[in-house]
Amino acid sequence: KAGVTQTPRYLIKTRGQQVTLSCSPISGHRSVSWYQQTPGQGLQFLFEYFSETQRNKGNFPGRFSGRQFSNSRSEMNVSTLELGDSALYLCASSLDRQDTEAFFGQGTRLTVV
Amino acid sequence: QQQVKQSPQSLIVQKGGISIINCAYENTAFDYFPWYQQFPGKGPALLIAIRPDVSEKKEGRFTISFNKSAKQFSLHIMDSQPGDSATYFCAASMFNALIFGKGTTLSVSS
Repeated sequence: KAGVTQTPRYLIKTRGQQVTLSCSPISGHRSVSWYQQTPGQGLQFLFEYFSETQRNKGNFPGRFSGRQFSNSRSEMNVSTLELGDSALYLCASSLDRQDTEAFFGQGTRLTVV
Repeated sequence: QQQVKQSPQSLIVQKGGISIINCAYENTAFDYFPWYQQFPGKGPALLIAIRPDVSEKKEGRFTISFNKSAKQFSLHIMDSQPGDSATYFCAASMFNALIFGKGTTLSVSS
């Protein structure tokens, strides 16, 4: 059974640009969550999608957005990139919303220059 | 406001020893408490998890102890091995939103 797949693995962008990251959850999993990992702030919850709807949102500005498709695949978008957005962005998939096990992908390393 | 506090920040243990990492949470609405292990360049991997109606859970060399009244939980790694050297994160969850501790870097010396 394939794990959580995130693409691309690495990305370099310039300040002011926007970026889209992709996540394919484990087959059969319907909940997808996104996290930002930085050395200073650690792992922080961005948002969660279930049945194509955002169900939960962390404390991040509106520049961070996402969506989920009918096949449960998810994308997150960051607009008007800032240097501080440089981070490892992780996607986690769960079977449903009942606090079941969350499995993480390897992440997308975003560098903003 | 940090909702999950984790200690220590780093830990050095001899091979065969016991590694203990502690976490405390504030929000009593959390209802699922997982521990994750992360190696450099990899995403976090679920190690073991517990729900607040259970005081202890053991899986192999890993044990979670949970104290609901004190709002604390801990991870014990028995017979620690060099391969256990990694960063460990505790978390508290509500509706799949994981709130993580800051992490503990464990080094097991041989």
